[in-house]
Amino acid sequence: GENVEQHPSTLSVQEGDSAVIKCTYSDSASNYFPWYKQELGKGPQLIIDIRSNVGEKKDQRIAVTLNKTAKHFSLHITETQPEDSAVYFCAAWNTDKLIFGTGTRLQVFP
Amino acid sequence: DAGITQSPRYKITETGRQVTLMCHQTWSHSYMFWYRQDLGHGLRLIYYSAAADITDKGEVPDGYVVSRSKTENFPLTLESATRSQTSVYFCASSESHPGEQYFGPGTRLTVT
Repeated sequence: GENVEQHPSTLSVQEGDSAVIKCTYSDSASNYFPWYKQELGKGPQLIIDIRSNVGEKKDQRIAVTLNKTAKHFSLHITETQPEDSAVYFCAAWNTDKLIFGTGTRLQVFP
Repeated sequence: DAGITQSPRYKITETGRQVTLMCHQTWSHSYMFWYRQDLGHGLRLIYYSAAADITDKGEVPDGYVVSRSKTENFPLTLESATRSQTSVYFCASSESHPGEQYFGPGTRLTVT
């Protein structure tokens, strides 16, 4: 079955800097890759997603890139703000279910 | 506009007891999901449902039972709780598959 690896597990950046989180997946049949943000005490919330027929997608300060050949995808956050501090999860859609990575705790220091 | 709710939010139970976690959504989404979240494992799918009376196993279904008699409700039952089932449980729903999943606030379950 599908396996999703996510790195790093923790990431600390200064406010205004960029943050990059990377994920790899194992099954080349996976074709949908969402990213979720989870704030303390809450459920995860979708922030951006990408499908396998697209290489990059942007939404304001957030972007996701997908390399199907290498089977990896990344989340890029520019001009980070303290409110970006949270746990971020990548996921890959395989057959009929989402397989999640283990999460990255992002801390943005003022 | 409640969205998706879970109850209880916190539960402590003893090993061997049966416990049911409730999930209710007001959007009439076809798809509903149960995940458990544990440190070092991220979110793992327990069961999901494509419609009323249709359910299927996820990655970690052992020890759990689900039902879906109505579109808006998707209860998860631990028939005989074990300590390894101590976790935070999230319910989610989506209109399309694959598509954005909307998560509830979670239920923190402790099995002593």
